[in-house]
Amino acid sequence: GENVEQHPSTLSVQEGDSAVIKCTYSDSASNYFPWYKQELGKRPQLIIDIRSNVGEKKDQRIAVTLNKTAKHFSLHITETQPEDSAVYFCAASKVTGGYQKVTFGIGTKLQVIP
Amino acid sequence: ETGVTQSPTHLIKTRGQQVTLRCSSQSGHNTVSWYQQALGQGPQFIFQYYREEENGRGNFPPRFSGLQFPNYSSELNVNALELDDSALYLCASSLGALNTGELFFGEGSRLTVL
Repeated sequence: GENVEQHPSTLSVQEGDSAVIKCTYSDSASNYFPWYKQELGKRPQLIIDIRSNVGEKKDQRIAVTLNKTAKHFSLHITETQPEDSAVYFCAASKVTGGYQKVTFGIGTKLQVIP
Repeated sequence: ETGVTQSPTHLIKTRGQQVTLRCSSQSGHNTVSWYQQALGQGPQFIFQYYREEENGRGNFPPRFSGLQFPNYSSELNVNALELDDSALYLCASSLGALNTGELFFGEGSRLTVL
């Protein structure tokens, strides 16, 4: 089955610096790669996603890149702010057997130091 | 537009007991999936319901079962509770079982098994 590895598990950056989180996946049939942000005690919420026919996508301070050949994708946050502090999960997804199978990484706890 | 709601938010059970968790999907969403999130881990897929049928299942034993109702709300039932079942149980709704796309999560039900 699909395996998603995510690193680092924790990341501390100074406010205004950039943060990068990397994920690798094993199943070449995965074709949708979302990133979710989970603040303490809150629900995971989608912040950005990318499909396998696209190499890069950007939304203001957040960008995601995908390398299908190497089976890895990354989240880039620029000009970090204290409110970016949260746990970030990458995921790999595909439709199989009539349902959407989503496999999450272990999560990265990002701390932005003011 | 009503978001995903779950109940109860917290509950404590003892080993061997049974628990039922409930979820109301986001307005217009016909697909519900359940995830188990252990402390410090990413969400793990339990199963998905579409048109009142379970159409996908992760690596969870049969004592994890569910239902979906005509209004698309759903229940997760866990029998013969074990200590390792202690976790946050997340319900997520989405539009269509045959598409990859955003999952809309509820706030979760935190289960503690003593």
